[in-house]
Amino acid sequence: GAGVSQSPSNKVTEKGKDVELRCDPISGHTALYWYRQSLGQGLEFLIYFQGNSAPDKSGLPSDRFSAERTGGSVSTLTIQRTQQEDSAVYLCASSVGFGNNEQFFGPGTRLTVL
Amino acid sequence: GIQVEQSPPDLILQEGANSTLRCNFSDSVNNLQWFHQNPWGQLINLFYIPSGTKQNGRLSATTVATERYSLLYISSSQTTDSGVYFCAVLGNTPLVFGKGTRLSVIA
Repeated sequence: GAGVSQSPSNKVTEKGKDVELRCDPISGHTALYWYRQSLGQGLEFLIYFQGNSAPDKSGLPSDRFSAERTGGSVSTLTIQRTQQEDSAVYLCASSVGFGNNEQFFGPGTRLTVL
Repeated sequence: GIQVEQSPPDLILQEGANSTLRCNFSDSVNNLQWFHQNPWGQLINLFYIPSGTKQNGRLSATTVATERYSLLYISSSQTTDSGVYFCAVLGNTPLVFGKGTRLSVIA
């Protein structure tokens, strides 16, 4: 596609429910990244993929967070048993390859946990 | 890990004025990007600038990697320039962001 797309754009959920966030990277980009933007923490890195592999999961805030990528394209970020502190904008980015390559961001998913 | 500091945190300009935003980083980096986050939250790429100087219209940026800083220049500011400007560096992990400079341009 022309740019990185994310869905849904907004998600409101109740505490304790599971949510799935989707990211479609720019076609041909092999590296994909998830970030989170919240009022208290600014923009923070969560996880990245090289192809379908996630070499470093240390940025995930807790074991309630998981992510996968299939076919070297679409990625889903899953948050289980959501908590109010999970409320944030979740941003996805992609680049041609991992490393010294420019990253391009999607519009984000605004998650609100009630 | 790498620390990224941006200054000033807030800036108010009269339309037509020029400004300089600064980004300092604490360690050697492999890359640096400047972004503009518009009022709708979209991060727009401004510059990919590990070193040297680049210009794009009214905007230009300079990175001096050996001295660990980068500058973003905005000339003849317009109200559409309002928003938050982020500097982000690529060290050993994917992008580490500064806290941003919030720019308000008043007509």
